[in-house]
Amino acid sequence: DAKTTQPTSMDCAEGRAANLPCNHSTISGNEYVYWYRQIHSQGPQYIIHGLKNNETNEMASLIITEDRKSSTLILPHATLRDTAVYYCIVRSLMDSNYQLIWGAGTKLIIKP
Amino acid sequence: DAGVTQSPTHLIKTRGQHVTLRCSPISGHKSVSWYQQVLGQGPQFIFQYYEKEERGRGNFPDRFSARQFPNYSSELNVNALLLGDSALYLCASSFPSYSPRQGGRRDTQYFGPGTRLTVL
Repeated sequence: DAKTTQPTSMDCAEGRAANLPCNHSTISGNEYVYWYRQIHSQGPQYIIHGLKNNETNEMASLIITEDRKSSTLILPHATLRDTAVYYCIVRSLMDSNYQLIWGAGTKLIIKP
Repeated sequence: DAGVTQSPTHLIKTRGQHVTLRCSPISGHKSVSWYQQVLGQGPQFIFQYYEKEERGRGNFPDRFSARQFPNYSSELNVNALLLGDSALYLCASSFPSYSPRQGGRRDTQYFGPGTRLTVL
């Protein structure tokens, strides 16, 4: 079972920041938080990942709370092309664990 | 640089038939993972291969098999197709690296566009 909970859907106005929350209250010390998105019928696209510090790249920012029990993905200036299902995944990087376990994700709709 | 490529894009088969799906990883990546995604759900892990060896297997029947070739490309085979095998089949590649300081392996999986399989 997925170790994360996310809202089923969210709306955001074009040009505004989209903030997508994720709860992972059972996360352990060696588990990273990964974010992917999937535009309709395409393969998932990697966005960002982090362990405990906030991370930023050209696509998004990842804010992880100090207790690591939740995180927020921020798309700073959402465009219509950001409409997708966003998946938050908790993943151990120990040698024995190779798979990504996916939940249902958040369907983000960007409105003009 | 080319990303992960998969072939074919779409495929229609009938029940009982066999299918082979193909995946070419990103250049330099040595690990390939396969996932099945049925409509409305997140992907489910099927297999991972690294250096031509199976390193992980999800909860799928023995009708599903895979292999990885010396050039790191991979095939997923499904025998005796059922209607429930209709799904988007995703391939992901990664370059596993070991980071003791960070407690283990570090790798990010990058996905291909998928193969849409329809079983009639």
